[in-house]
Amino acid sequence: EIVMTQSPATLSVSPGERATLSCRASQTVTNLAWYHQKPGQAPRLLIYDASTRATGVPARFSGSGSGTEFTLTISSLQSEDFAVYYCQQYNKWPLTFGGGTKVEIK
Amino acid sequence: EVQLVESGGGLVQPGGSLRLSCAASGFSFSSYAMTWVRQAPGMGLEWVSTITGSGGSTYYADSVKGRFTISRDNSKNTLYLQMNSLRVEDTAVYYCAKGRAAAGSFYFDFWGQGTLVTVSS
Repeated sequence: EIVMTQSPATLSVSPGERATLSCRASQTVTNLAWYHQKPGQAPRLLIYDASTRATGVPARFSGSGSGTEFTLTISSLQSEDFAVYYCQQYNKWPLTFGGGTKVEIK
Repeated sequence: EVQLVESGGGLVQPGGSLRLSCAASGFSFSSYAMTWVRQAPGMGLEWVSTITGSGGSTYYADSVKGRFTISRDNSKNTLYLQMNSLRVEDTAVYYCAKGRAAAGSFYFDFWGQGTLVTVSS
């Protein structure tokens, strides 16, 4: 099983600031997605194939990385971006998610 | 507009059974793989099971293999999860999620709002 490890667990950021979230895979993956989830809501797809924004996702979200190290960057945090963020690999079965990074208001 | 509406959750005793359903609309259901993902209270996301668009291939997490069965009825645009021998640790919100292709590219571009399954005596 590919273990996905996200860091930090919690990130405190002021509105308008940049946020950088990390996701590490226990073995090389090429297929990685990012989601965010607000309280009481279903997750929403942000990024797939490590760096492609999903339909309707604002340009302030960008994904990068390869191999075992991946990053989600939010260039200027808006109020609606405070949420929990998850990465997911879809290279191998079982599909696995990271434990999540909570982005909170500083 | 894509819509996924789960139903069938509820309170069940350990060892019991439940069948979840996910009614899909707004897309060509048989053209896409479908997946169940669960989230225990206060916890992260856990993949449970995936079925390809034709229903010809199914995949399961080890934690549910042999107890849960995923299936689909493409004539009814409905996804199912039959859950048997339920355990306390199966307590979670269960989400239905749409894939990006009939097979392959197993990430999820639309999610339902979830249905809560509580396993308790």
